[in-house]
Amino acid sequence: AQSVAQPEDQVNVAEGNPLTVKCTYSVSGNPYLFWYVQYPNRGLQFLLKYITGDNLVKGSYGFEAEFNKSQTSFHLKKPSALVSDSALYFCAVRGLSGYSTLTFGKGTMLLVSP
Amino acid sequence: ETGVTQSPTHLIKTRGQQVTLRCSSQSGHNTVSWYQQALGQGPQFIFQYYREEENGRGNFPPRFSGLQFPNYSSELNVNALELDDSALYLCASSLEQGVGGYTFGSGTRLTVV
Repeated sequence: AQSVAQPEDQVNVAEGNPLTVKCTYSVSGNPYLFWYVQYPNRGLQFLLKYITGDNLVKGSYGFEAEFNKSQTSFHLKKPSALVSDSALYFCAVRGLSGYSTLTFGKGTMLLVSP
Repeated sequence: ETGVTQSPTHLIKTRGQQVTLRCSSQSGHNTVSWYQQALGQGPQFIFQYYREEENGRGNFPPRFSGLQFPNYSSELNVNALELDDSALYLCASSLEQGVGGYTFGSGTRLTVV
């Protein structure tokens, strides 16, 4: 069975500082990996994905993520946080099989202080 | 290119009632997945429809059922509602069972009283 772990319930960072939101995964074979962001009372908004290729993936709003196969991690990063980045972030994984589905972590709340 | 549209945005039902939630897929997408997101939790997979057939199901009882129509829009039906069914229900559409990614709708907030 596939799974995702987001070990931090909340990450606090000051505006202008770099941020990292951690994610590790477990899946059979090679993974598809995703990051989504959710604002209050809203659906999920796509940030970035890793399917194949470069381990450093660049996404929306200045976010990027680094795929590390040996550590089975896919941490989300941003060089300089904005207050408007404050939201709930979800990491998700699926396998390559056509019948594989998306499995989410429990989410990490990012709070960026002015 | 239109995104994923869900309706209604909010509704309140009484325990024991039945509810139908609707989802219009993004143009060109032939796969729809449904997720339940309880308060403070990550989305949990309910089921997936590909070309009008269910081809994957999560750990949800049979009173959760669905349909996908020829235009690839979809419905989620829940019978005999329970208080624990209160959640945000998210629909996601994709091309070819999720290859390349998923587009999510804004969700339907269901409250069971």
